[in-house]
Amino acid sequence: IAGITQAPTSQILAAGRRMTLRCTQDMRHNAMYWYRQDLGLGLRLIHYSNTAGTTGKGEVPDGYSVSRANTDDFPLTLASAVPSQTSVYFCASSEGTGHSYEQYFGPGTRLTVT
Amino acid sequence: GQNIDQPTEMTATEGAIVQINCTYQTSGFNGLFWYQQHAGEAPTFLSYNVLDGLEEKGRFSSFLSRSKGYSYLLLKELQMKDSASYLCAVRDGDYKLSFGAGTTVTVRA
Repeated sequence: IAGITQAPTSQILAAGRRMTLRCTQDMRHNAMYWYRQDLGLGLRLIHYSNTAGTTGKGEVPDGYSVSRANTDDFPLTLASAVPSQTSVYFCASSEGTGHSYEQYFGPGTRLTVT
Repeated sequence: GQNIDQPTEMTATEGAIVQINCTYQTSGFNGLFWYQQHAGEAPTFLSYNVLDGLEEKGRFSSFLSRSKGYSYLLLKELQMKDSASYLCAVRDGDYKLSFGAGTTVTVRA
């Protein structure tokens, strides 16, 4: 089934630990995104990639890094987790960045940093 | 920065109509999206407006006024399954999406 997969579904992580959230899409979309969703704040963009080999910073990039080695994968790494990074993380992709290209979202990763 | 405002909660009766308003102030404008998000699930695309006017898609319609920085999502013939959060998102001049905090709609029998 075409779409976006994320792993893990949920994770409890000790503060200071390193963690990589995985995201894979099989729609051959050019653009990919990472958001975090917190109650009352809505979705906030962490990092994005308009095409394989390029990445950019979103609204809340501090403490996170990404890479885009190929079209399908867009992992998000927390180098040293802190409790304020407790959130639900959504990966998304779109065919492009303009026109009416909507973003398709993965099922999310619920991360708790203790 | 971007500023997107929408009501926090709305309640309506099954079969009724509900209008969710969204006002925005962003750096540039390249379209407005509405997404639906059921509790514990991912957002799913509902509608897209880039020109002024009304876009109709079945029971859902979305309206845009660029000069007023205003949009609304109209849900007609409400069903219980429409209970969800509705997210207004604006694509800015850099083609990045900024989301409002979402409006939780509760449909009562």
